[in-house]
Amino acid sequence: SQTIHQWPATLVQPVGSPLSLECTVEGTSNPNLYWYRQAAGRGLQLLFYSVGIGQISSEVPQNLSASRPQDRQFILSSKKLLLSDSGFYLCAWSAARGTEAFFGQGTRLTVV
Amino acid sequence: GENVEQHPSTLSVQEGDSAVIKCTYSDSASNYFPWYKQELGKRPQLIIDIRSNVGEKKDQRIAVTLNKTAKHFSLHITETQPEDSAVYFCAATGYSTLTFGKGTMLLVSP
Repeated sequence: SQTIHQWPATLVQPVGSPLSLECTVEGTSNPNLYWYRQAAGRGLQLLFYSVGIGQISSEVPQNLSASRPQDRQFILSSKKLLLSDSGFYLCAWSAARGTEAFFGQGTRLTVV
Repeated sequence: GENVEQHPSTLSVQEGDSAVIKCTYSDSASNYFPWYKQELGKRPQLIIDIRSNVGEKKDQRIAVTLNKTAKHFSLHITETQPEDSAVYFCAATGYSTLTFGKGTMLLVSP
């Protein structure tokens, strides 16, 4: 069966520090991968999505970037965190367009 | 890209009442419409979905209806229970992405 791993579960980082959140999927090949951010417990904002290795689409311009170095690995990064980057970050995968998306456990990021 | 509007943002009902959440979408090419439930501090999980070739789908106390012409779809929960309290999200597919509505916080009072 397919599983998705996302870590860490919680993270407290100072302003200006770098960020790296990792997400991996097991049990499937060539998944569509997504990074969402959820602020204040509401609203899932799509940040990045990827349909294949090295293929990243950004939905909103911001202080973050994403990479897909391997088929089932998706990384969210920042060189310098801002206070406004605080939130709940969710990785997700789907088998194809028009199919169910499965979410990771999420990472609660607090920038102080 | 796809744009999904969801209403209401908050819905309070008494246990046993019905709850209805409505969504509209903009991309006429969208063909998959899932609904997710998110409990406090947890990940969203799929509760029901519908495809564009179907007008209605039901699973026990939960049903979803889709009107492709009007580009809107709705979630219906009957005989609500306190454990139904959560945030509910509708979503629609664009070309390669799943676009979510802003969520509805459902509060079911005993």
